[in-house]
Amino acid sequence: GQQLNQSPQSMFIQEGEDVSMNCTSSSIFNTWLWYKQDPGEGPVLLIALYKAGELTSNGRLTAQFGITRKDSFLNISASIPSDVGIYFCAGQVGNEKLTFGTGTRLTIIP
Amino acid sequence: KAGVTQTPRYLIKTRGQQVTLSCSPISGHRSVSWYQQTPGQGLQFLFEYFSETQRNKGNFPGRFSGRQFSNSRSEMNVSTLELGDSALYLCASSLVGAPEAFFGQGTRLTVV
Repeated sequence: GQQLNQSPQSMFIQEGEDVSMNCTSSSIFNTWLWYKQDPGEGPVLLIALYKAGELTSNGRLTAQFGITRKDSFLNISASIPSDVGIYFCAGQVGNEKLTFGTGTRLTIIP
Repeated sequence: KAGVTQTPRYLIKTRGQQVTLSCSPISGHRSVSWYQQTPGQGLQFLFEYFSETQRNKGNFPGRFSGRQFSNSRSEMNVSTLELGDSALYLCASSLVGAPEAFFGQGTRLTVV
């Protein structure tokens, strides 16, 4: 089946730094989604991407749909303490179920 | 608009017991999916329901089952609980044909 590799697995950064993470697939997707999960809560949808090459922003977050349709990227600018959590990518093709990445855990060092 | 509601939030059960978890989707969402999340395994897909029919099923044993009612509310059941079933169970709802899934807060199941 399809697999999504998310990297890095974890990040330790200082407040104010920019963050970059990515998600790669062994096969193509038609849609890429990015979620954030706080401890003990369900994932919250951050950004949805529908077209190869698409670049979409949500506040300090920017995500891109890779032109090969096999990857996606998420950037966070000027990180703040509430950015801490686990970020998941998810991809979908056709009417198949969403496939989730393994997550990137973001920690902000005081 | 109310979000996805899952009940209960926390549950402690003994090995061998069974448990039923409930999920009320966002109004107008007719597709409901269930996921199991454990620290080492990430989000594992259990099953998806639409119009009271199971559309997709993940690779879980038959002890895990679900159903959907005519009002789109869904339940999942786990019988003969094992210690390894301890996890956060997440429900997500979506509009038919739309990829965007919206998650509830989850039910934290602990099996002792």
